[in-house]
Formats: sequence, structure tokens, C-alpha cells
Amino acid sequence: QKEVEQDPGPLSVPEGAIVSLNCTYSNSAFQYFMWYRQYSRKGPELLMYTYSSGNKEDGRFTAQVDKSSKYISLFIRDSQPSDSATYLCAIRGAGSYQLTFGKGTKLSVIP
Amino acid sequence: DVKVTQSSRYLVKRTGEKVFLECVQDMDHENMFWYRQDPGLGLRLIYFSYDVKMKEKGDIPEGYSVSREKKERFSLILESASTNQTSMYLCASSFVRGNEKLFFGSGTQLSVL
Repeated sequence: QKEVEQDPGPLSVPEGAIVSLNCTYSNSAFQYFMWYRQYSRKGPELLMYTYSSGNKEDGRFTAQVDKSSKYISLFIRDSQPSDSATYLCAIRGAGSYQLTFGKGTKLSVIP
Repeated sequence: DVKVTQSSRYLVKRTGEKVFLECVQDMDHENMFWYRQDPGLGLRLIYFSYDVKMKEKGDIPEGYSVSREKKERFSLILESASTNQTSMYLCASSFVRGNEKLFFGSGTQLSVL
């Protein structure tokens, strides 16, 4: 079983839709959870970061972590064409330098 | 803004050549990383460094080496390039361990013919 599983999509939604992106992980030792966004021909950039179960909100973006189910989600409200990108989840264990990335979900928001 | 600069955007090399990929960061970050990104496989860590002259293997170090002689510069070396090393290579840096914010360069698309 892979450490992090992420549906690669692609996912296509109309502008204004609510988008839900998800990852599951297998190792309960993972404690830090991130979402990165990667535009075409660019490197990933950090979008959201959390280390606890529950929700964290930043504008139109909400990161949700359920440690009991080993499940993390990113919700995008009122999606915009500028949200079109690949979204990668990333997780890290305590005391580790290494992030483990999901394979990424490619999102297209259609005007 | 932190800037991570990779020396080349596109690179074409022949099998057996020695290849150097250079990365420079301008924010005095302690940690630097080299990843490769392939369709269907995602981002995979090749090597990382948490200090000058220090290096640690990542998940896929075979066929690669690294050099960090100065804090701001981290080089990835392909001693004898092979076609299966055709990939997008991404360099990243971060301030300290536990800082989740990796700053990535724009990547180098390497083609080995």
C-alpha cells in the first residue's frame, strides 16, 4: 500500500462550483499535512498547512484532516478559472525532513 | 520573496554524458532538496541537504549525486545520464526542519537521448 493515495483526476468543474480534493494515507505516525498548488510549467507552492485534526480555513480554501480515518481534504469554494492547477497533498512525520507527496489532482475550472 | 533559481529550464543531453543541474536560493535557507516529477509517479525525493557539505539520500538516489559547497547552492549530478533519467527536476529549499513551507524552483526539464 502506498503511503499517500490521491486521485489524479483530471477534475473539471464549472466556475463557482465547490471543489473537493482528497488524499488518504496509511501511516498513523504522519502528523503534518499540507496542500501544494502547482500551475503549469511552475514549481509547487504551499497553499495550506495543518497539523491537527479538524478544519483550517483561508479565504475560499478549507483544509480538513481526519486522523482517525487517515483522510485529508481540500475544499475550494466559489472556484475560479485561476484555480486551475494541479493540487498535491503532502504529509510529514514528526522528526523527519521528508515530505511524502501524493501524485496530484489536475483541476480545471471552466468559465 | 524567496527565490529559488534553477540554472536551466530545458536541457537535452546524450546517454552517458555527465550532467550538472544547479540550484541557488537567496534566503539563507538551511535545507535544500532535489525532486524529480514524472507523470503518474508524482514528486519523488532524490537527495536533500540540511547543511553545507551535508547530504542525505531520499527515496530514489541511485544514479545521482549531489554537492553543497555553499549554503545557497545545491547541485545535482548525473554521473552518466541514462534515458530513464528523462524527467522534470525540481529544486526546493526551506528554512529549518519542521518548516513545512518548501520553496520550489520552476524546474528543469531534462531529456536524455
